[in-house]
Amino acid sequence: LAKTTQPISMDSYEGQEVNITCSHNNIATNDYITWYQQFPSQGPRFIIQGYKTKVTNEVASLFIPADRKSSTLSLPRVSLSDTAVYYCLVDTRGTGGFKTIFGAGTRLFVKA
Amino acid sequence: GAVVSQHPSWVICKSGTSVKIECRSLDFQATTMFWYRQFPKQSLMLMATSNEGSKATYEQGVEKDKFLINHASLTLSTLTVTSAHPEDSSFYICSAGTGTEYGYTFGSGTRLTVV
Repeated sequence: LAKTTQPISMDSYEGQEVNITCSHNNIATNDYITWYQQFPSQGPRFIIQGYKTKVTNEVASLFIPADRKSSTLSLPRVSLSDTAVYYCLVDTRGTGGFKTIFGAGTRLFVKA
Repeated sequence: GAVVSQHPSWVICKSGTSVKIECRSLDFQATTMFWYRQFPKQSLMLMATSNEGSKATYEQGVEKDKFLINHASLTLSTLTVTSAHPEDSSFYICSAGTGTEYGYTFGSGTRLTVV
């Protein structure tokens, strides 16, 4: 399983764009990169997943360079409600049985 | 989208008793479910992988006789904490995957407090 490394914490202000970068040097060919968000006393919530280049959905964008050894989650115009822990994971898409190991995550604190 | 229901959301039990936590996939069949525990300010720690109809696979250091996992159907997995002690107090979270969707769907978690 590829290990991931993220900053432990980040601070931002409302309305700013936040970029959280994750390193996964040992990512395998079949691995996908998935980001989750977790609020206190709740289960993680899926944000976005990608394999390479750029993926965008209604809440975030995910940038993955050609070597796939890192990825960047971009949150446009954050609000106070985006204060949460963000986890970057790599796993094999499509198996359903591939266990997902969480790293330490990045604690994002959005200030007014 | 895929929904995983976890019950109860919180439970308080006396030391020495057993507690059962249920994890249900409401609108899909979950061939595999995962159980995690999370201590305050820490990340999720995978406890075991549960496959329907077979024995769970436990992570190193997790006592299988203490944390009993049953995955009797494609929509239900249960975690029973036996002879609970205060150090078992934690936030327990399940997740489910089908092998066909992006990522995994997580339950809302169960806060267990052993007194």
